[in-house]
Amino acid sequence: GQQLNQSPQSMFIQEGEDVSMNCTSSSIFNTWLWYKQDPGEGPVLLIALYKAGELTSNGRLTAQFGITRKDSFLNISASIPSDVGIYFCAGQLRSGGGADGLTFGKGTHLIIQP
Amino acid sequence: ETGVTQTPRHLVMGMTNKKSLKCEQHLGHNAMYWYKQSAKKPLELMFVYNFKEQTENNSVPSRFSPECPNSSHLFLHLHTLQPEDSALYLCASSQSASSSGNTIYFGEGSWLTVV
Repeated sequence: GQQLNQSPQSMFIQEGEDVSMNCTSSSIFNTWLWYKQDPGEGPVLLIALYKAGELTSNGRLTAQFGITRKDSFLNISASIPSDVGIYFCAGQLRSGGGADGLTFGKGTHLIIQP
Repeated sequence: ETGVTQTPRHLVMGMTNKKSLKCEQHLGHNAMYWYKQSAKKPLELMFVYNFKEQTENNSVPSRFSPECPNSSHLFLHLHTLQPEDSALYLCASSQSASSSGNTIYFGEGSWLTVV
């Protein structure tokens, strides 16, 4: 099946620093999504990307859908303490005859040191 | 508040118990999903319902039994579970499960502990 490689697994950064994480796939996806999950909560959608090459921002967050459709990155600028959490990428491929869920990366655990 | 509500948030059950997880979405979506999230593993898709019809069962053991009475409600019936089934179970919904460009929204999850 499809696999997503998300990196880095964890990041320890200082408050105010910029953050960059990415996902690569062995398969092509038609949609890339980025989620953030706080401890004990469900993932919350941050950014959705639907078109190869698309660059989308949501406040301090910017994500891009790779041209090859096999990768995506998420950048966070000027990190703040509430950015702490686990960030997941997810890819979705429309199948020919049925329903699809999402394929998730293993997550990037972001830890911010004041 | 994501528009997808799960109850209970926490559940502890014995291996011989029967319990159910409930999910309700207020987004007018037609597709609903169950995912399992275990420690140090990617989110695993369990079941997909599209317009109340089950369209995917991702090789889930029969001790997990989904039910979708309408497009807004989804249940996961649990019986004779094993300790390794302890995990966070996430419900999600989307407009439709059969087209791309289709954003999935998650509930807050139900923490299940099997003792």
